[in-house]
Formats: sequence, structure tokens, C-alpha cells
Amino acid sequence: AQTVTQSQPEMSVQEAETVTLSCTYDTSESDYYLFWYKQPPSRQMILVIRQEAYKQQNATENRFSVNFQKAAKSFSLKISDSQLGDAAMYFCAYRSQWGGSEKLVFGKGMKLTVNP
Amino acid sequence: NAGVTQTPKFRVLKTGQSMTLLCAQDMNHEYMYWYRQDPGMGLRLIHYSVGEGTTAKGEVPDGYNVSRLKKQNFLLGLESAAPSQTSVYFCASSPSSGLGNQPQHFGDGTRLSIL
Repeated sequence: AQTVTQSQPEMSVQEAETVTLSCTYDTSESDYYLFWYKQPPSRQMILVIRQEAYKQQNATENRFSVNFQKAAKSFSLKISDSQLGDAAMYFCAYRSQWGGSEKLVFGKGMKLTVNP
Repeated sequence: NAGVTQTPKFRVLKTGQSMTLLCAQDMNHEYMYWYRQDPGMGLRLIHYSVGEGTTAKGEVPDGYNVSRLKKQNFLLGLESAAPSQTSVYFCASSPSSGLGNQPQHFGDGTRLSIL
């Protein structure tokens, strides 16, 4: 079974600076998808970014980018120019390409604090 | 555009009581999921459905039952609530792209407390 590990339960960053959230996963599959979700205090689960394992190019979405290292099974999220609204829980998630159910396996999450 | 709607948003139960959480989606998605979120545990899959009339067990199915009688609705039932089921419950849905790259869309969650 696949597992996702977020080893840092909490991090803090100064407003306007850059922060990197780490995520590692374990799988024997070669094709899969990785996601970062954000959960602000409102409790909503918001998709931040996704990465297809077959793509070598790292995904980017505005201030959010990933460093996908397939061989190392690492999928870190970089937030540039941090804003107060970035304060939230962040979850890394894995989805197998096969199986027909597209279930997500989540890490335990990491709480990001943004200091003004 | 409502997306995924969960009912109720909050509920307090006594041990042994039963209740049903309702999830409704208006995006015509084939797949639907129920997760629970506990502090320090992330989200864990309880049950899921790959289409109307189908259900399957996830990672933590014990103590829960589900039904998907209509494509747009996915119900989560607790037959005899236990304090260990105190949690925040999330419903999600996704299309059956067959590729896996379609994100799941989540409801706003239901906070359930069992006394």
C-alpha cells in the first residue's frame, strides 16, 4: 500500500518570504499523481497544485511550485512571496493511476503560520 | 454552482445513537468518497463509490455504512455511534477520467461529536 509522509508538523514563515514544505511517499508504481491541498481555518479543502509522475517538468501555479524528485520519491511544495492568506494546513496526497477508483492517500498534514 | 454539499455541518450525538450524513454533488461525478479527519492523522478514507449502486470499503470502514442509491447522493451512516467516531467528516467527488489526474472536489465538512 502507498504511504505519504509529511515529517514537519508545523512551520512558520515571514510574510513575503519563501517557504518549502516537504513530502515523501512510498510506492512501487511507476505511474501516479501527486497533489497538494490547502485547508484554511474555514475547513475547506482547496487544491493547490498537482503533478503527473510521467512529466519531468515541475508543476507551477502562480506563487506555488513543486520540486518533484521521482527517484527519491519526494514532492515538496515551494510558496514564494508568502501572504497572510497562505496560513493553513497543507496536505500532500497520492493517487494511483490504476485501480479505477482514484482514491487519495493523504499525509498527516503540516500547519503553516505566516508572520506579518 | 453548489459543488459538493454536506448536511448537517455540525451534530452532537450520544453514544449508541444513530445518524446519517448526506453528501450531494451537482457536477455529475461518477466517484464519491467519505473521509474522516482527526488531529495529527490527516484524512483517511472510510468508504467510496465508483458509481450509482456501488460502494466499497476504504481504510477505516468499521462502524460505518454507506449507500449510493442516486448518482448525485452518497450517504454515510453510523448505526451505533461511539466516542471514537468523534471527528470531522468530509465528502468528496471526482469525475471518472480514467487517468487519475482529476482533482477531488470536497464539501465543507461535518463536525460530529459523540458524547
